[in-house]
Amino acid sequence: AQTVTQSQPEMSVQEAETVTLSCTYDTSESDYYLFWYKQPPSRQMILVIRQEAYKQQNATENRFSVNFQKAAKSFSLKISDSQLGDAAMYFCAYRSATSPGNQFYFGTGTSLTVIP
Amino acid sequence: GAVVSQHPSWVICKSGTSVKIECRSLDFQATTMFWYRQFPKQSLMLMATSNEGSKATYEQGVEKDKFLINHASLTLSTLTVTSAHPEDSSFYICSAREVKSIQETQYFGPGTRLLVL
Repeated sequence: AQTVTQSQPEMSVQEAETVTLSCTYDTSESDYYLFWYKQPPSRQMILVIRQEAYKQQNATENRFSVNFQKAAKSFSLKISDSQLGDAAMYFCAYRSATSPGNQFYFGTGTSLTVIP
Repeated sequence: GAVVSQHPSWVICKSGTSVKIECRSLDFQATTMFWYRQFPKQSLMLMATSNEGSKATYEQGVEKDKFLINHASLTLSTLTVTSAHPEDSSFYICSAREVKSIQETQYFGPGTRLLVL
């Protein structure tokens, strides 16, 4: 089974600063998707950003961008100009593009604190 | 984006009773839905994959007779926790898979908090 590792259980960032959350994964597949989800205290999972493995270009969504290194199996999330509303648990997730079921494999999460 | 609802949002029940949780895709048809369980400050753990019109596929270690899943229509999947016990207290989240052309997206419900006394 695929594994997703988030080595930073907790991170903090000053408001308006930039923070990078790390994620590595292990897979033998070549076609897959990677995601970052945000889970605020409400517990609703919110999609932050998505990356297709076949795309070399790193995905960006406003203040959120990723550094996707396929060979290194690394998928970090950069949050620029951090805002108080960014405080949440962030989960990195992997999903196969070909396997039946297409389930998500989640990392253990990184709790992000934004300091005013 | 597409919306997935869960009902109830929270439930308290006595030990030994059964609890049913509904997951609905509100504006799209979902041939596949997933049920997750999340303990406090932990990640989401997949319990089972629910396919419309067929039996659910359970992950290793998940008791299928205890966690009954029914996916009777393209917009509704239900999870029934039978004979609930305090150790079943958790946060249950469903997700629904939408396929449009070659693009596939999964949307998460808001979760159901279960407390078994």
